[in-house]
Amino acid sequence: DQQVKQNSPSLSVQEGRISILNCDYTNSMFDYFLWYKKYPAEGPTFLISISSIKDKNEDGRFTVFLNKSAKHLSLHIVPSQPGDSAVYFCAASYYGGSQGNLIFGKGTKLSVKP
Amino acid sequence: GAGVSQSPSNKVTEKGKDVELRCDPISGHTALYWYRQSLGQGLEFLIYFQGNSAPDKSGLPSDRFSAERTGGSVSTLTIQRTQQEDSAVYLCASRSGQPGTGELFFGEGSRLTVL
Repeated sequence: DQQVKQNSPSLSVQEGRISILNCDYTNSMFDYFLWYKKYPAEGPTFLISISSIKDKNEDGRFTVFLNKSAKHLSLHIVPSQPGDSAVYFCAASYYGGSQGNLIFGKGTKLSVKP
Repeated sequence: GAGVSQSPSNKVTEKGKDVELRCDPISGHTALYWYRQSLGQGLEFLIYFQGNSAPDKSGLPSDRFSAERTGGSVSTLTIQRTQQEDSAVYLCASRSGQPGTGELFFGEGSRLTVL
């Protein structure tokens, strides 16, 4: 049973436009959410996070939105740049949870075209 | 070093051989994770160590896989009698702070190819 779902395996966006990556979760116990970015042949790197007490967190071009009632979060990248092309993983966490308190989605491959 | 270090970065082995993959977490990080990523797939959880607690081995795919963490620091993932389906990138990550919070810091991964 997938507790964290990224239903779009890929997304293609034009440079300068907004990229919206979506993530849904099923476990209402999750209280902390993270996004990671992964380039080929590299380990994932942390991008941005949000606590369940907030509904929005912004860091430069990256904003994460959390809708707890819908159990949905999204990552917005504005404006998108070719260097943003990577696989983006959503992750959810709570103390006492399984898999080391952290569950990853399967990732969405973002391609930003010049 | 400052980051999570994994070795070897690349390993090619023959089917049936044993392999050992090593992870040096960030100093002071009490939590250590192993994941693997097969071609075109997401991150597959393998095992989790937290301090002196018993590890969470629920993600290990078979009894050919084992891992240990000595002295609360370095970890070794061992795959016995490797199979071709074991070919993947094996990623190690560490984290500080309370369980359930904070970001993971990943290593560059060990790419395993089983011929």
